[in-house]
Amino acid sequence: EIVLTQSPGTLSLSPGERASLSCRASQTVSSSYLGWYQQKPGQAPRLLIYGASSRATGIPDRFSGSGSGTDFTLSISRLEPEDFAVYYCQQTGTSPKTFGQGTKVEI
Amino acid sequence: QVQLQESGPGLVKPSQTLSLTCTVSGASISSRGYYWSWIRQHPGKGLEWIGYIYYSGTTDYNASLKSRIAMSLDTSKNQFSLKLSSVTAADTAKYYCATEDCSGNSCYFDHWGQGTLVTVSS
Repeated sequence: EIVLTQSPGTLSLSPGERASLSCRASQTVSSSYLGWYQQKPGQAPRLLIYGASSRATGIPDRFSGSGSGTDFTLSISRLEPEDFAVYYCQQTGTSPKTFGQGTKVEI
Repeated sequence: QVQLQESGPGLVKPSQTLSLTCTVSGASISSRGYYWSWIRQHPGKGLEWIGYIYYSGTTDYNASLKSRIAMSLDTSKNQFSLKLSSVTAADTAKYYCATEDCSGNSCYFDHWGQGTLVTVSS
């Protein structure tokens, strides 16, 4: 099983600041199969990034993804109030498909 | 626009079988490229992939749950279902159905139901 470790666990920032979230895999993950999701309280996760760096439909360009191999990053260039949420990385290339434990971005 | 909606009992007794159904609109469960999936989230915790069923009936289950899972399709109702047997309190979670889109050269969960909370308790 591929274990995805996200850091930090919690990121305390202010609106307008830049956020950088890390996802490290225990084995190589093909970039095609690395995604990022945002989850707000009481809501289902929402796809932000797929294929490590492609934005999903309707996702603002302040969200960007990068990385390859075992190290991936989600960046939010300027935090908006609605961006404060929990973010998960996920790999779909190897069964079982796995998620990271999440990074909470808080004010 | 693809929409998914979970339905099923919110309370299940220990040792019984949890049964959930996901009703799909805006897409056919007979479509190639979509993997009809179940994911759960324990209260206050992260996300756990349970498994998927493909239009052909092919399944892939998380090995940690494999002995207790069965998934099925009902093409006449455009629904897919999850059965999890011999449940314990550790199966208390919010259960989501989702589509995994592998129609391109990537795979990702792009549509999710709102989730349904299932509590295992006597």
